[in-house]
Amino acid sequence: EAGVAQSPRYKIIEKRQSVAFWCNPISGHATLYWYQQILGQGPKLLIQFQNNGVVDDSQLPKDRFSAERLKGVDSTLKIQPAKLEDSAVYLCASSATYTSGNTIYFGEGSWLTVV
Amino acid sequence: AQKVTQAQTEISVVEKEDVTLDCVYETRDTTYYLFWYKQPPSGELVFLIRRNSFDEQNEISGRYSWNFQKSTSSFNFTITASQVVDSAVYFCALSEFGGGNKLTFGTGTQLKVEL
Repeated sequence: EAGVAQSPRYKIIEKRQSVAFWCNPISGHATLYWYQQILGQGPKLLIQFQNNGVVDDSQLPKDRFSAERLKGVDSTLKIQPAKLEDSAVYLCASSATYTSGNTIYFGEGSWLTVV
Repeated sequence: AQKVTQAQTEISVVEKEDVTLDCVYETRDTTYYLFWYKQPPSGELVFLIRRNSFDEQNEISGRYSWNFQKSTSSFNFTITASQVVDSAVYFCALSEFGGGNKLTFGTGTQLKVEL
């Protein structure tokens, strides 16, 4: 069974530019997550979708970050305009449902460097 | 609010040594779930184990074992006869019941296994 797919794997942009990351979750998984992992820290949840609806986006910096999951499968995370502090790994993850205790499976991440 | 503490930032061992990674958590919920993930240099978070708060039995899986003690709010992870391939960052994480299956991660422990 295919895992969580993400692209691009690596991206370098200048500050104030925009970037978009794409994610395809495990087939059949209704819940999709975007986590941000800054070097030396644990991942932090940015946004959680259940099908095509947002469950939690309380930690998403909405002035510059946006995310969508229009058809309830793939998702895109966008940053515009990027700041230096956005340099991080953006991890997409999925689980069968958003019931507590469901195992969350992660992709390899999209590594963003803002210069 | 929930919190996960991994006090060991980095551990270095020689191959075949046993090593224990510590994890201490804080939560007000009586029902919760604990996880361990492995993050190799490639970046993907690999799921290792999930335990719920009502199951305090220790678990062994090959060279891996986990010790869950509610009395001390700890969920420690032991690798027996470590190998170079075990070198990675290991994260402990907590998910509270009713919290919508969101993970709170510790800051991770970097394990280096040398020949």
